[in-house]
Amino acid sequence: GEDVEQSLFLSVREGDSSVINCTYTDSSSTYLYWYKQEPGAGLQLLTYIFSNMDMKQDQRLTVLLNKKDKHLSLRIADTQTGDSAIYFCAESSPGGSYIPTFGRGTSLIVHP
Amino acid sequence: EAQVTQNPRYLITVTGKKLTVTCSQNMNHEYMSWYRQDPGLGLRQIYYSMNVEVTDKGDVPEGYKVSRKEKRNFPLILESPSPNQTSLYFCATTPGQTNTGELFFGEGSRLTVL
Repeated sequence: GEDVEQSLFLSVREGDSSVINCTYTDSSSTYLYWYKQEPGAGLQLLTYIFSNMDMKQDQRLTVLLNKKDKHLSLRIADTQTGDSAIYFCAESSPGGSYIPTFGRGTSLIVHP
Repeated sequence: EAQVTQNPRYLITVTGKKLTVTCSQNMNHEYMSWYRQDPGLGLRQIYYSMNVEVTDKGDVPEGYKVSRKEKRNFPLILESPSPNQTSLYFCATTPGQTNTGELFFGEGSRLTVL
């Protein structure tokens, strides 16, 4: 099975909150990441969280980590049309030389 | 400016005609990698390199070759392209050793094989 799983699509209305969920299997995961891919561009790191943290907040973004359940989420408050993109969850561990393993990506569609 | 540069950005070719997609980075990163991105399949790693003259297969290496003769360059070679290699290709780099593991991606190369 996949090491990192996430749903493929999420549709939200502009101004609402978006929550993108991700599960992973590696119990030794040290860093967990969210990457954003805008149309026609490469991936860019949006934020990351260290495994000893439960939450990280950065302006409209909130990352929650439940290490027991191996569940990571990204909440985007007041979602805007410019947030429409593919969001990739990823994890890295010492056994993998800290090279991220990616999920398949969630396409976030924001409609008026 | 820190950059990962891929060329070409777009290419249409025919089956069997050898091609090379170049990747160059100016950040002195040790680790470089190639991915392909296909709808519904996400990113799949083709090959990676931990340092100069060290390359390893990723998840989908068949039909591809790479080389790492110098630190800044990591070309992807398709000796005899086939239509199932039509895809969006990304090169990515990271410093290696102890760091947060952040990967820096190129802009992508869209390849169509007819």
